[in-house]
Amino acid sequence: EAGVAQSPRYKIIEKRQSVAFWCNPISGHATLYWYQQILGQGPKLLIQFQNNGVVDDSQLPKDRFSAERLKGVDSTLKIQPAKLEDSAVYLCASSFSGTGGAETQYFGPGTRLLVL
Amino acid sequence: AQSVTQLDSHVSVSEGTPVLLRCNYSSSYSPSLFWYVQHPNKGLQLLLKYTSAATLVKGINGFEAEFKKSETSFHLTKPSAHMSDAAEYFCVVSGSGGGGSYIPTFGRGTSLIVHP
Repeated sequence: EAGVAQSPRYKIIEKRQSVAFWCNPISGHATLYWYQQILGQGPKLLIQFQNNGVVDDSQLPKDRFSAERLKGVDSTLKIQPAKLEDSAVYLCASSFSGTGGAETQYFGPGTRLLVL
Repeated sequence: AQSVTQLDSHVSVSEGTPVLLRCNYSSSYSPSLFWYVQHPNKGLQLLLKYTSAATLVKGINGFEAEFKKSETSFHLTKPSAHMSDAAEYFCVVSGSGGGGSYIPTFGRGTSLIVHP
């Protein structure tokens, strides 16, 4: 089966610009996750969707970050305006349902963002 | 609230010697626990997961982990390290976020270095 797809793979922008990332989860997976992974740290959950509803967005900086999951499939994560500290790898993952505790997450390759 | 602590940022072993990567967790609920591996320039991949069926969990590539509730630990071990095991390892706790969904929290990661 096809894995989690993300685009773009790399992005370089100036601070105060906006940027958007796209994720296509594994077909049939109800739960979609966006993570921010800063160099040398573990992934930090930004937002978790189940179908097109938000399960958790407690760590999403809502003044500049937004995310949506249209029709419960693809998702976009947007940053506007970007700051230097947003330089990181943005990971998308999906899991089958998200309600079972031992759900395996399947990760995409990530988008590496550099803010200058 | 939940948290996970990976006690070592780096672990260095010689090829053929045992591997021990330590993880302690804190959770208000009976959590699910995972180990993921991230090889350089590759996506995150599940190594193993604790589902409450058995406290000793076997994963891929000869890794295993033991869930010890009394010690709130989930340490990862392998009897004999291979050069290909060199990677970043993440311990993950997933506890109930309410509404039947589970919210994952990643540790900061442990870098495993394997010397020939």
